[in-house]
Amino acid sequence: DAKTTQPPSMDCAEGRAANLPCNHSTISGNEYVYWYRQIHSQGPQYIIHGLKNNETNEMASLIITEDRKSSTLILPHATLRDTAVYYCIAETSGSRLTFGEGTQLTVNP
Amino acid sequence: DGGITQSPKYLFRKEGQNVTLSCEQNLNHDAMYWYRQDPGQGLRLIYYSQIVNDFQKGDIAEGYSVSREKKESFPLTVTSAQKNPTAFYLCASSRRRTGSSYEQYFGPGTRLTVT
Repeated sequence: DAKTTQPPSMDCAEGRAANLPCNHSTISGNEYVYWYRQIHSQGPQYIIHGLKNNETNEMASLIITEDRKSSTLILPHATLRDTAVYYCIAETSGSRLTFGEGTQLTVNP
Repeated sequence: DGGITQSPKYLFRKEGQNVTLSCEQNLNHDAMYWYRQDPGQGLRLIYYSQIVNDFQKGDIAEGYSVSREKKESFPLTVTSAQKNPTAFYLCASSRRRTGSSYEQYFGPGTRLTVT
């Protein structure tokens, strides 16, 4: 699986968009980019995943660069409940996910 | 409600004892997984099972054992051979891989403390 690199922490004002970056410069052609988040002391929650195209669902948008070496998760209107650790993972099937240390996103009032 | 149940939420054991953590799902998912999380760290895969009566070691299987006798259940035994068993244990499930990718759904976790 490709290694991913994320900033350890980010802050965002409530109501503003939160843009979380992820680098995956060694990603292979059949590896998807997954995003999960984990609120303190809970199980992780799936957010979104994509292969090449940008994706959007009710929670977030995923923007993948054309060369697929990096991606950005966008939470369009962050709320206090979005405060969590966000994990970016590159993997072929979703069955052997490797969770790094992720990005601690803090949404401030 | 469909979901994954892990029990108990907190578990305390004495060193040298085996302990079994429960994981049940009613999502009709074929695949199930066990992860371990240490404070301030990401999750590490212990074991996973893609189908009943079959399972594979993950990245840190030593000192752990599993069984998959039923589709909805995937219990994890932390044996006395596991040197640092105190951790947060998370169970997950997903649809079985069929050439595409699937998201995993996680349970609430069991926090195991061994003294």
